[in-house]
Amino acid sequence: DTGVSQDPRHKITKRGQNVTFRCDPISEHNRLYWYRQTLGQGPEFLTYFQNEAQLEKSRLLSDRFSAERPKGSFSTLEIQRTEQGDSAMYLCASSLARVNSGANVLTFGAGSRLTVL
Amino acid sequence: DQQVKQNSPSLSVQEGRISILNCDYTNSMFDYFLWYKKYPAEGPTFLISISSIKDKNEDGRFTVFLNKSAKHLSLHIVPSQPGDSAVYFCAANHAGGTSYGKLTFGQGTILTVHP
Repeated sequence: DTGVSQDPRHKITKRGQNVTFRCDPISEHNRLYWYRQTLGQGPEFLTYFQNEAQLEKSRLLSDRFSAERPKGSFSTLEIQRTEQGDSAMYLCASSLARVNSGANVLTFGAGSRLTVL
Repeated sequence: DQQVKQNSPSLSVQEGRISILNCDYTNSMFDYFLWYKKYPAEGPTFLISISSIKDKNEDGRFTVFLNKSAKHLSLHIVPSQPGDSAVYFCAANHAGGTSYGKLTFGQGTILTVHP
């Protein structure tokens, strides 16, 4: 297993364009998370899935943001009508979550850096 | 609201000495705390965790201390090595309900270990 893979690693786009990021989690993991990180800040939670079910999406930053995990494997994060404020690193993570099993350790990918011009 | 805070943006330490990174939190419902390390162009990698029912957890050169009454935890690295130079994030988790596994991160502390 090669860990959590994210694609593309860097995306430069013009304001108003749509962008999509893909995440391939560790295959045995049942949970997949999306985080956003801006300069000088820690990762900020956006949404997460358990298998194919999106269990929380209230932190998605606006209705321009959406995430899917159609078959419970890979996931996509789409940003429509991008704005300059969307420029950030988008991190994907996965974990094997079990009830009463202690700290849920997330394994992160290297991230997809978005630059909106 | 910043529920997890790392008030020191940076720390510089000599090789072989102790590095102490601090973290404060406000949510008393947090029941696990984790430390992650991040190198440039890589995602954060897990270092060590501690349950809220413990006050210390040790793994090799890394020890995390938790002071629940003060809502404070710290990561000690002894001895520090130049390869430890990275950004360190404190994170916390509340296991209740659908929040399980959702980590809340601090802003990070840049550690530089000088040879």
